[in-house]
Amino acid sequence: GNSVTQMEGPVTLSEEAFLTINCTYTATGYPSLFWYVQYPGEGLQLLLKATKADDKGSNKGFEATYRKETTSFHLEKGSVQVSDSAVYFCALSGPNFGNEKLTFGTGTRLTIIP
Amino acid sequence: GAVVSQHPSRVICKSGTSVKIECRSLDFQATTMFWYRQFPKQSLMLMATSNEGSKATYEQGVEKDKFLINHASLTLSTLTVTSAHPEDSSFYICSARDTEGIILYNEQFFGPGTRLTVL
Repeated sequence: GNSVTQMEGPVTLSEEAFLTINCTYTATGYPSLFWYVQYPGEGLQLLLKATKADDKGSNKGFEATYRKETTSFHLEKGSVQVSDSAVYFCALSGPNFGNEKLTFGTGTRLTIIP
Repeated sequence: GAVVSQHPSRVICKSGTSVKIECRSLDFQATTMFWYRQFPKQSLMLMATSNEGSKATYEQGVEKDKFLINHASLTLSTLTVTSAHPEDSSFYICSARDTEGIILYNEQFFGPGTRLTVL
C-alpha cells in the first residue's frame, strides 16, 4: 500500500537559515504529492502540491519537486522566518484517478528562533 | 479560502458516555468529508470517508458501531464516539472536499480538530 516517510523532528533553526525537510514515498503509479502545514491551534492547510513527475510546487517561499526517480518530495525554503514555525506534513493521494484518500507522513515540527 | 469548522474544539467525558463531534463546511458544499485520528507525535490516520446521503466507508480496523458517522447535509458531517473509553482519547480531525473542486488535485480542507479526553 501507499506510505510516506518524512524526516523526524523536531527541527530548530535560526531565522534566515535554509530549510530542508525530507519526504519519500512508496506508491504504485503516479500519485499526487502534497505538503500541508499546521500552525498552532489551527487545522491543516495545503502549502503546496505537485501532480506529476518533475512538477515543482511552490508557495510562500517554500518549494518541493516531484522526483519520480528517487520517490521524493523534499520541502525547501531559502530563508525561514519565525512565522514559519509549525508542523509540516508530507502526504500523497491516488495514484488512481478519483482516489481521494490521503496518506500522511508523521509530521515534522519546525521551530524558528529569532 | 474554504473554511471547515469543528465543534467542540475540546471535550472531556466520562468512560461509557457518547460524544458527538460536528464538522461543517462554512462556505462551500461538500459531498465527501473525511474523519482522521491523530495520536501524539504520529501521523493522521484516516478513519472513514463520509458521503452525503449514504453510508460512510470505514477503513480497515475501525469499528463502525463504535464510531458512528452521519453526513445528513452537504455542509455537515458528525462523528459520534459511542461508549467512549480512555483508549478513545485522541485528536480527531475532519476534512472536506469541495464538491465543485477539481477531483484530480484531491484537495481537502481541514478543520482545526477536536481533542477528546475520556476519563
